[in-house]
Amino acid sequence: QVRLKESGPRLVQPSQTLSVTCTVSGFSVTSYHVSWVRQPPGKGLEWVGAIWKGGSTDYNSALKSRLSISRDTSKNQVFLKMNSLQTDDTGTYYCASLSGYFDYWGQGVMVTVSS
Amino acid sequence: DVQMTQSLSYLAASPGESVSISCKASKSISNYLAWYQQKPGEAYKLLIYSGSTLQSGTPSRFSGSGSGTDFTLTIRSLEPEDFGLYYCQQYYEKPLTFGSGTKLEIK
Repeated sequence: QVRLKESGPRLVQPSQTLSVTCTVSGFSVTSYHVSWVRQPPGKGLEWVGAIWKGGSTDYNSALKSRLSISRDTSKNQVFLKMNSLQTDDTGTYYCASLSGYFDYWGQGVMVTVSS
Repeated sequence: DVQMTQSLSYLAASPGESVSISCKASKSISNYLAWYQQKPGEAYKLLIYSGSTLQSGTPSRFSGSGSGTDFTLTIRSLEPEDFGLYYCQQYYEKPLTFGSGTKLEIK
């Protein structure tokens, strides 16, 4: 059974760095691409970036300068780091398996950027 | 970037009715189109990909159609569990982009 679960801080201060972990079960992150998507409260979905099964990454150009996606294959985890957070980075961050479309999603972690 | 437009942000219908939700791309995306459902407290669920292919587990009352720029998600004979938010997404090119969502509520 495929499962993705996000974990990370619920509150981050402005200008700080967000670190979110996606723990995957049911497939290997070396066999399947994994992506991050975020959703501000009451708004639509925004693709953040992806790490391909081979380990290379792709980022939304609008966020690229602040983003890093990596993985630990031994733990089957994928990591999102986003720096220089601002209040409009507040939202729910989801990880999802990616086949072009998003096959399976985690429940998401709600992150608030506030002092 | 490819802009995805769901013109209806809200739709109310009764159980047993059929509804259609439209999605329009700002350029041709062939059939690289997926539909998702979100219900409160649940993870997003992939319903349809490649414009019309049902994901395993998607009930047959759901169908997708269209190619190029215009797409439609149709739900025949609505069940109570079908009410929620629906999003389209293109994967023709990066950045992957989503429609703004259509909320389907019980009338």
